[in-house]
Amino acid sequence: DVKVTQSSRYLVKRTGEKVFLECVQDMDHENMFWYRQDPGLGLRLIYFSYDVKMKEKGDIPEGYSVSREKKERFSLILESASTNQTSMYLCASSLAGRKDTQYFGPGTRLTVL
Amino acid sequence: QQQVKQSPQSLIVQKGGIPIINCAYENTAFDYFPWYQQFPGKGPALLIAIRPDVSEKKEGRFTISFNKSAKQFSLHIMDSQPGDSATYFCAASMLSYPRLSFGAGTTVTVRA
Repeated sequence: DVKVTQSSRYLVKRTGEKVFLECVQDMDHENMFWYRQDPGLGLRLIYFSYDVKMKEKGDIPEGYSVSREKKERFSLILESASTNQTSMYLCASSLAGRKDTQYFGPGTRLTVL
Repeated sequence: QQQVKQSPQSLIVQKGGIPIINCAYENTAFDYFPWYQQFPGKGPALLIAIRPDVSEKKEGRFTISFNKSAKQFSLHIMDSQPGDSATYFCAASMLSYPRLSFGAGTTVTVRA
């Protein structure tokens, strides 16, 4: 089975802090994604990566950056956390040859105070 | 703005009922339409998907209907069970491009 793990299930940070969310997949997938999930807004893509060191902006990249130094690991960085970044963050991965099937991690509930 | 519009936001049915979730899109370049199911505390998981060359696809009690001319597609859950209570997301993508555009989600509650 594909396994996508996220470093924390719950995280509480203060405004202005730098926040790192880590995602690891164990199926040698080329593509990795970061979404945020908010009630009534569904899943919105923040960034995705199609290869090591390659990234592309999604629909809501402002206030976020990403890093992919190894194929299995994709990090989401909040340079200076703000209260409007309180949300559920979901990581996903997919094979290059099957772009349609994304496998999701369990999510990180981030609260910014 | 969302490229895939999903309705309703929530619905409640009795066991055995048929919840129906509708989605609409504008981008005619979309050629793959998956549905994802999410249980509380879990990430979404692929449930069923359809390509526009077919008008209907069934997998168990889940059926997708697709209307290419209207640019609409829907999910029906036949003989719904309390275990089907979850949030359902429709999505769309172009096969040549890895990203999915998701709808806003529908929370389905099936009462025993």
